[in-house]
Amino acid sequence: ILNVEQSPQSLHVQEGDSTNFTCSFPSSNFYALHWYRWETAKSPEALFVMTLNGDEKKKGRISATLNTKEGYSYLYIKGSQPEDSATYLCASPAGSGAGSYQLTFGKGTKLSVIP
Amino acid sequence: NAGVMQNPRHLVRRRGQEARLRCSPMKGHSHVYWYRQLPEEGLKFMVYLQKENIIDESGMPKERFSAEFPKEGPSILRIQQVVRGDSAAYFCASSPARDFYNEQFFGPGTRLTVL
Repeated sequence: ILNVEQSPQSLHVQEGDSTNFTCSFPSSNFYALHWYRWETAKSPEALFVMTLNGDEKKKGRISATLNTKEGYSYLYIKGSQPEDSATYLCASPAGSGAGSYQLTFGKGTKLSVIP
Repeated sequence: NAGVMQNPRHLVRRRGQEARLRCSPMKGHSHVYWYRQLPEEGLKFMVYLQKENIIDESGMPKERFSAEFPKEGPSILRIQQVVRGDSAAYFCASSPARDFYNEQFFGPGTRLTVL
């Protein structure tokens, strides 16, 4: 069973602060790491799909890094804005010899940006 | 291009009744995944279907739950003889291909309440 962990569980930051949070996953049999942003009452929305060790991806003020050897990914938000308030999920495909494409999700980091 | 559609958005059933949840994937997507979010829990994989085929149902309870994705029409998640423990948010996602690198596009979810 794949175990994907996220920390912290929740985070409150002031508008304008930069922040980051962590996703850890088993480093063996790694296939990919997905980051999603989930606003209340909306659908989870994909931010990044990362596959290679050392990958860095960026979308506006949000960026992510990936270390597959040690089994972690960081998500960074620069200059947080109130509209960044959401739960950020990471997920990894379970993967198996038969090719399991299901995503195993962490419980998420709930970010609240205070104006 | 319409996103993933789910209906109903909210469903109330009494214990012992049947619940039918529908999911229409994004246009051009033939891969559908169902996830469940129990209260205070993260998203958990239930079943992965391709048109007319169940590919992986390892996350689905063995009894009372079934899923289908017919050649025509939406994917259906069916829960027979619902119990209070089935109360949860059920999300469907779709992707255009079967690999680890494609993001999954999520619908808005169906919130099932069992009285």
